[in-house]
Amino acid sequence: DIQMTQSPSSVSASVGDRVTITCRASQGITSWVAWYQQKPGKAPKLLISAASSLQSGVPSRFSVSGSGTDFTLTISSLQPEDFATYFCQQANSFPRIFTFGPGTKVDIK
Amino acid sequence: QLQLQESGPGLVKPSESLSLTCTVSGGSIRSTSHFWGWIRQPPGKGLEWIGDVFYSGSSSYNPSLKSRVTISVDTSKNHFSLKLNSVTAADTAVYYCARRVNTGWFDFWGQGALVTVSS
Repeated sequence: DIQMTQSPSSVSASVGDRVTITCRASQGITSWVAWYQQKPGKAPKLLISAASSLQSGVPSRFSVSGSGTDFTLTISSLQPEDFATYFCQQANSFPRIFTFGPGTKVDIK
Repeated sequence: QLQLQESGPGLVKPSESLSLTCTVSGGSIRSTSHFWGWIRQPPGKGLEWIGDVFYSGSSSYNPSLKSRVTISVDTSKNHFSLKLNSVTAADTAVYYCARRVNTGWFDFWGQGALVTVSS
């Protein structure tokens, strides 16, 4: 199975900061990674899927890059509503087995 | 707007079966472009894909749970269901139902249902 790791596991940042979260796959998965945001007590929300496809309503301060095994989610200017946990997810494997990274918590410095 | 809602017992005894249903509203489960899945999250931990089902009834499962899981669909009721057998405390989690697109992403989620395994 393809395993996903994320770093850092947590990051403390201030409003306006640029935040970068990295996701690494145990084997190459081309660009088949999505990113989710989860706030406490809520379901995850799909932010961006492969090839930088922002979901409807997601601000353009969120962007992704990478391919192969290494991927990054960048928040260009952190806003108060962005404090949450972020998960990456791969969808490349066949047979289709979907795995998530362990998450990165973004909290207030 | 599509909505998904989980329902089922919040407490299950060890060795028994966990059963949850996800009712889909605002759209049809008979979509040729989507699958209907279950994902769980133990308290304070990450997300684990359990499996999903197509409206035809074809299903796929996480190999780590495959021997204990059945996911089924009832198109007449626009809902799909999860059954997890022989549960232990390790199965205590918030269980989410979600819609999966063909590419593999989960774009609509239910609010989640906490299921505790305890005697």
